[in-house]
Amino acid sequence: DAGVTQSPTHLIKTRGQQVTLRCSPKSGHDTVSWYQQALGQGPQFIFQYYEEEERQRGNFPDRFSGHQFPNYSSELNVNALLLGDSALYLCASSSTRQANPGSWEQYFGPGTRLTVT
Amino acid sequence: LAKTTQPISMDSYEGQEVNITCSHNNIATNDYITWYQQFPSQGPRFIIQGYKTKVTNEVASLFIPADRKSSTLSLPRVSLSDTAVYYCLVGETGTASKLTFGTGTRLQVTL
Repeated sequence: DAGVTQSPTHLIKTRGQQVTLRCSPKSGHDTVSWYQQALGQGPQFIFQYYEEEERQRGNFPDRFSGHQFPNYSSELNVNALLLGDSALYLCASSSTRQANPGSWEQYFGPGTRLTVT
Repeated sequence: LAKTTQPISMDSYEGQEVNITCSHNNIATNDYITWYQQFPSQGPRFIIQGYKTKVTNEVASLFIPADRKSSTLSLPRVSLSDTAVYYCLVGETGTASKLTFGTGTRLQVTL
């Protein structure tokens, strides 16, 4: 059973460019969340997708957008890249059908390291 | 979400028990306490979650006093591979809620 997978592993872009990151959730999971982790900081919530719709959003500008496909996989798009967008981008998946309704267990992928030059 | 406070860093020798305490004075009635572990260049990994008293799994124990204003993650007999950042999260859950991470506690285990 594959866990959460993300692609690419590493990416180098230039300021002003656009980037698309991809995530495949753990088998059986229907919800995908994206996080940005700057060096030395904890992950920061970007947004969450469920049933192909954005359900929650953190404090990130509209340059950050996403999409969820019918197979529950997801993309994160960032337009007009800034140097400050350099970070590890993490995808986490979970299931709305978790046995314990209080569970916060989210499964994270290995992340995509984005460097903006 | 309730704000959490935890030590920035801790050091331990291999084989010792490590206790990391997290303060969450504003915890709400419906809030759960969850701990994640993160190794460098990897995504966080769920360790343990609890609501009150004590919870134990194959990896760690979580102690929560009656007032729930703090919690302690206990790692028995740590090894070098337990060197990581440990995050304490507090909040209400429904379906997959957004996780709010602080800066975590950087645990360094040495021989």
